[in-house]
Amino acid sequence: EIVLTQSPGTLSLSPGERATLSCRASQSVSSSYLAWYQQKPGQAPRLLIYGASSRATGIPDRFSGSGSGTDFTLTISRLEPEDFAVYYCQQYGSSMYTFGQGTKLEIK
Amino acid sequence: EVQLVESGGGLVQPGGSLRLSCAASGFTFSSYSMNWVRQAPGKGLEWVSYISSSSSTIYYADSVKGRFTISRDNAKNSLYLQMNSLRDEDTAVYYCARIRGSYHMDVWGQGTTVTVSS
Repeated sequence: EIVLTQSPGTLSLSPGERATLSCRASQSVSSSYLAWYQQKPGQAPRLLIYGASSRATGIPDRFSGSGSGTDFTLTISRLEPEDFAVYYCQQYGSSMYTFGQGTKLEIK
Repeated sequence: EVQLVESGGGLVQPGGSLRLSCAASGFTFSSYSMNWVRQAPGKGLEWVSYISSSSSTIYYADSVKGRFTISRDNAKNSLYLQMNSLRDEDTAVYYCARIRGSYHMDVWGQGTTVTVSS
């Protein structure tokens, strides 16, 4: 089973700042099968990025994804108030899905 | 509007059973593979089960294998999760989600809450 480890666990930033979230896999992951989701309290997750770097429909271009192999990054270029939430990475491989434990992005 | 609506959650005793449903609308349900994903209170997301569009391929997380059964009825645009031998640790919000080509999930339901407690 591929384990995804996200860091940091909590990130405290101010609106307008740049956020960099990391997702590290225990073994190599196909970039095609790496996605990022945003979840706000009481809501279902929302797809942000798929295929490691492709933005989902309707996602603002301040969100970007990069990486390959075992190291992937979600970057939010300039934080808006609505971006403060929990972010999860997810991978598919060997007939199963795994999620990272999440990074909470909070207002400083 | 593309939509997924879960139902069937509730309070059940340990060892009991529950059947969740997910009603799809606004898209050709029979063309998409589907997932169940759950989230325990205050915890992260955990994948539960996968079913292909024709039901020919099914996968389960080890934590539910042998106890849960995923199925679908394409004529009724519905996805199901039969949950047997429920345990305290199955307490969670259960989401159904549509799967796209790169195995990512682009549409999610609002979730249904399952509480396993005596």
